Amino acid sequence: EVQLVESGGGLVKPGGSLRLSCAASGITFNIYSMNWVRQAPGKGLEWVSFISSSNSYIYYADSVKGRFTVSRENAKNSLYLQMNSLRAEDTAVYYCARSGRSGGLDYWGQGTLVTVSS
Amino acid sequence: DIQMTQSPSSLSASVGDRVTITCRASQTISSSLHWFQQKPGKAPKLLIYGASTLQSGVPSRFSGSGSGTDFTLTISSLQPEDFATYYCQQTFSTPHTFGQGTKLE
Repeated sequence: EVQLVESGGGLVKPGGSLRLSCAASGITFNIYSMNWVRQAPGKGLEWVSFISSSNSYIYYADSVKGRFTVSRENAKNSLYLQMNSLRAEDTAVYYCARSGRSGGLDYWGQGTLVTVSS
Repeated sequence: DIQMTQSPSSLSASVGDRVTITCRASQTISSSLHWFQQKPGKAPKLLIYGASTLQSGVPSRFSGSGSGTDFTLTISSLQPEDFATYYCQQTFSTPHTFGQGTKLE
């Protein structure tokens, strides 16, 4: 059974940093591209970042470029999102999701809540 | 950036109804369009990928069509468990933008 489990969320002050993790199991992690998607309270989905299976391609939404860094450790079946210079508008549930066939995000974690507030 | 516009934003329907949701891209995205269903407090679930391919395990009452800039998600006979919010997403080019969502109630 495929499982993606996010962790690392919490309350952080504006300007602070947080590192999210996503642990994958039940899949051959190193052959799949991965994504981070977020959802602010009561709002829609926002794509945040993409990383290809071998780290060759990395992309970010303009809203996080220069502040967030995505990485992966295939040997540990893990995906990460380093978030720096956090702002109130970064408050959201953050999901990791696998890119399946044709690019559709076919497996999602349960999400981890990040709250940026003083 | 490619903008994705869904219509309607909300839709009132009844069990047994045929429902259609539209997603329009601001430029051509070939068939790089995917549909998701999300229920409150839950992660999104992939329904359709590549504009028209049903994800494994998804009931056949869901179908998708379109290519280029105009896409539709159709639920042929609405079931009680289908009341949710639906999103489209394009993966033709980054940023991989989502539509704003359609709440089915």
